[in-house]
Amino acid sequence: EAQVTQNPRYLITVTGKKLTVTCSQNMNHEYMSWYRQDPGLGLRQIYYSMNVEVTDKGDVPEGYKVSRKEKRNFPLILESPSPNQTSLYFCASSLGLSGSKNIQYFGAGTRLSVL
Amino acid sequence: AQTVTQSQPEMSVQEAETVTLSCTYDTSESDYYLFWYKQPPSRQMILVIRQEAYKQQNATENRFSVNFQKAAKSFSLKISDSQLGDAAMYFCAYRSFNTNAGKSTFGDGTTLTVKP
Repeated sequence: EAQVTQNPRYLITVTGKKLTVTCSQNMNHEYMSWYRQDPGLGLRQIYYSMNVEVTDKGDVPEGYKVSRKEKRNFPLILESPSPNQTSLYFCASSLGLSGSKNIQYFGAGTRLSVL
Repeated sequence: AQTVTQSQPEMSVQEAETVTLSCTYDTSESDYYLFWYKQPPSRQMILVIRQEAYKQQNATENRFSVNFQKAAKSFSLKISDSQLGDAAMYFCAYRSFNTNAGKSTFGDGTTLTVKP
């Protein structure tokens, strides 16, 4: 089954404790993105990647790191989480950008609480 | 930078009636894509409909259609014959094709209530 898998789905942590949220897709997609969603707001793009080893900042990259060492994986790293990073996080991927390749497939979301 | 504005935080519609959700955007790019996503209480993101900016013809998907006005930078979603299952948060989204290929911007959403 074609899917984007995020782990963990729920995470409670404390300020300053490094964490990684994993994202994996099995569709051989070129593009992958991370978003956060806060109450009353839409999704805001954190980082996106156009291919292996190619990443770029979205609108809210501060406090986050990403890497794309393999095509299928795009982990989100919080080196020193803070309470303002408490949010719902989505990973998404698309085959490309032209025509129907532009359709983004979303993971189920990771709900993160930083105490 | 691109911006997407959804001016209606909440909308309601009677079952079987038609409702239109508004979306405006701002961009200096000529090539881009626009999307409407549905997010039910499960928080899953579901693609409703998409539109390529170079296409003048408005996209339709069954009961869902858009009114794309490129010059006015407007992209509204019309839901016909509304069903109880249409109740959800709806997001309008923009995706760059050239300059910042892959960069996406979402509106803040419209909560749609469907009354039986």
